[in-house]
Amino acid sequence: DTEVTQTPKHLVMGMTNKKSLKCEQHMGHRAMYWYKQKAKKPPELMFVYSYEKLSINESVPSRFSPECPNSSLLNLHLHALQPEDSALYLCASSQVRGPEAFFGQGTRLTVV
Amino acid sequence: AQSVAQPEDQVNVAEGNPLTVKCTYSVSGNPYLFWYVQYPNRGLQFLLKYITGDNLVKGSYGFEAEFNKSQTSFHLKKPSALVSDSALYFCAVRDSNYQLIWGAGTKLIIKP
Repeated sequence: DTEVTQTPKHLVMGMTNKKSLKCEQHMGHRAMYWYKQKAKKPPELMFVYSYEKLSINESVPSRFSPECPNSSLLNLHLHALQPEDSALYLCASSQVRGPEAFFGQGTRLTVV
Repeated sequence: AQSVAQPEDQVNVAEGNPLTVKCTYSVSGNPYLFWYVQYPNRGLQFLLKYITGDNLVKGSYGFEAEFNKSQTSFHLKKPSALVSDSALYFCAVRDSNYQLIWGAGTKLIIKP
């Protein structure tokens, strides 16, 4: 099973809302990632968790708050977002220091 | 600095013809190279990787890629293109921190 599952697939939220994106994998991977992708651009790394601990934060604004409750789950909590935060948010997982990463289908986020 | 270049924004190929999507890289040490494909409004799908060994790597959906160390290239190829191959293709290299550095992406259009 090489599947990474993300929910919801689509999300529309106001600038004062609080919402969460969820990601789940059952491949036994101990590295999990959040990426942001704008249309027709490569993904931009936001956060990396290794062994359930935050190892990389690419200077992401505090309105994005990641959480890794266990080795299979990764959440991204959203609060007070701006319209420019509208994008496709991708979750990925891999072996720690492993070669390839496997991506979920993404959550299409629209901030209104 | 480590980088990946995809020199073509778009590649147009007639169905049934061979296709090539170009990628060159700059990285210190031995490169870990990857190709991913993204269909509209979908996540990234892993196609193939080069870690070591045979310079010709075979991947999913009939794609292959040729690693050329002297030219620092990793071009994606397929002998006979299908309309369903139309998508956005990303080349990536893993850096010394085991994070992916992405090319800008190449839109592949296969015309019937």
